[in-house]
Amino acid sequence: AQSVTQPDIHITVSEGASLELRCNYSYGATPYLFWYVQSPGQGLQLLLKYFSGDTLVQGIKGFEAEFKRSQSSFNLRKPSVHWSDAAEYFCAVGALKSGGYNKLIFGAGTRLAVHP
Amino acid sequence: KAGVTQTPRYLIKTRGQQVTLSCSPISGHRSVSWYQQTPGQGLQFLFEYFSETQRNKGNFPGRFSGRQFSNSRSEMNVSTLELGDSALYLCASSRDTGNEQFFGPGTRLTVL
Repeated sequence: AQSVTQPDIHITVSEGASLELRCNYSYGATPYLFWYVQSPGQGLQLLLKYFSGDTLVQGIKGFEAEFKRSQSSFNLRKPSVHWSDAAEYFCAVGALKSGGYNKLIFGAGTRLAVHP
Repeated sequence: KAGVTQTPRYLIKTRGQQVTLSCSPISGHRSVSWYQQTPGQGLQFLFEYFSETQRNKGNFPGRFSGRQFSNSRSEMNVSTLELGDSALYLCASSRDTGNEQFFGPGTRLTVL
């Protein structure tokens, strides 16, 4: 069955510190992988995506993620966190098929708090 | 280019009533998906529409239904509301199936 696991429910970091949010997935085929961010009371904003090719993908707001097939992981990183990064982060695997279907399976999310 | 818009942003209903939520996708996007977000169950896929046809459906009861119009706008309907239907309902659009999805701000439904 397709699933996404985000092991860390809540993470607190100091402003300026580096960040890594973990994501593991279970999917039978080559996955499409995404990271979204959600601020309180808002919808989801796409940070980055992996469809194929280079396993290190760059996203918006200085985020990057690395796809590791052998570990079934797609961890999100940022070298220096800003206070405005405080939000909830969701990893998702896409059950996508061009001309067929479109469905995202989300992890439970990781809530990030940033200390000044 | 305008993003995905959802109306209304907030709704309060009572048990047994029905509700209709609306979603306007990004211009040029033909696929619209709906998700339910609750603290207990997280983000769950409801259904997806493409060119006015339901392509895929999640594991929700028949009280949850939707449709898509020729201009790609979509509506979802929940009949006989239950307390557990209180949630943030998110709509997402994509150019086609197999592409990344862009989300609207959501409709916060409260059932009393």
